[in-house]
Amino acid sequence: NAGVTQTPKFRVLKTGQSMTLLCAQDMNHEYMYWYRQDPGMGLRLIHYSVGEGTTAKGEVPDGYNVSRLKKQNFLLGLESAAPSQTSVYFCASSYSRQGDSPLHFGNGTRLTVT
Amino acid sequence: AQSVAQPEDQVNVAEGNPLTVKCTYSVSGNPYLFWYVQYPNRGLQFLLKYITGDNLVKGSYGFEAEFNKSQTSFHLKKPSALVSDSALYFCAVRPAGGSSNTGKLIFGQGTTLQVKP
Repeated sequence: NAGVTQTPKFRVLKTGQSMTLLCAQDMNHEYMYWYRQDPGMGLRLIHYSVGEGTTAKGEVPDGYNVSRLKKQNFLLGLESAAPSQTSVYFCASSYSRQGDSPLHFGNGTRLTVT
Repeated sequence: AQSVAQPEDQVNVAEGNPLTVKCTYSVSGNPYLFWYVQYPNRGLQFLLKYITGDNLVKGSYGFEAEFNKSQTSFHLKKPSALVSDSALYFCAVRPAGGSSNTGKLIFGQGTTLQVKP
């Protein structure tokens, strides 16, 4: 009963370094999302995917890339990390695009860029 | 621009008293509305949703929410607060129409609920 799993849980990067955050869901959900959470700003959508092999930009996509090669996995990449990307990152998935389908969230990745 | 507002950064209530966490939204059409709760170092957990029908919807852990179309509000309520309800609460909206086809949610900035013994 894992649900949505994010790895790693914590990471510290130096400016300019790169990393990939992994999100895996075992619920056979079609839709997956990456959000970032910053104090006083709620959650902001970075990128999302409506199915395997498809991705789209969200509200704050700059500096990030994503890939959805397998239905169960959604990867978020930072090619050259910046201090402004210090945040808590959440992955979420949804069974369908129907309006009443809630999002299921992972426990987050806390990233610090120094 | 479509948005969700939670006007209070923090709400303080005494255990046993009723609580209200406020949410207003600005979206076109008839949106789908949600409440989520976040405990420390955890992801968001779904509490309840409003799609259509009765303006008062019931959810998990004794929470309920009242939808008011004329005031574009969706306030979260609980008749008797528990210390264990202390957490961060998020209101979210999924606009009807095109955006609903992507399933993405627009979140408010969050309200910290502090319930004191």
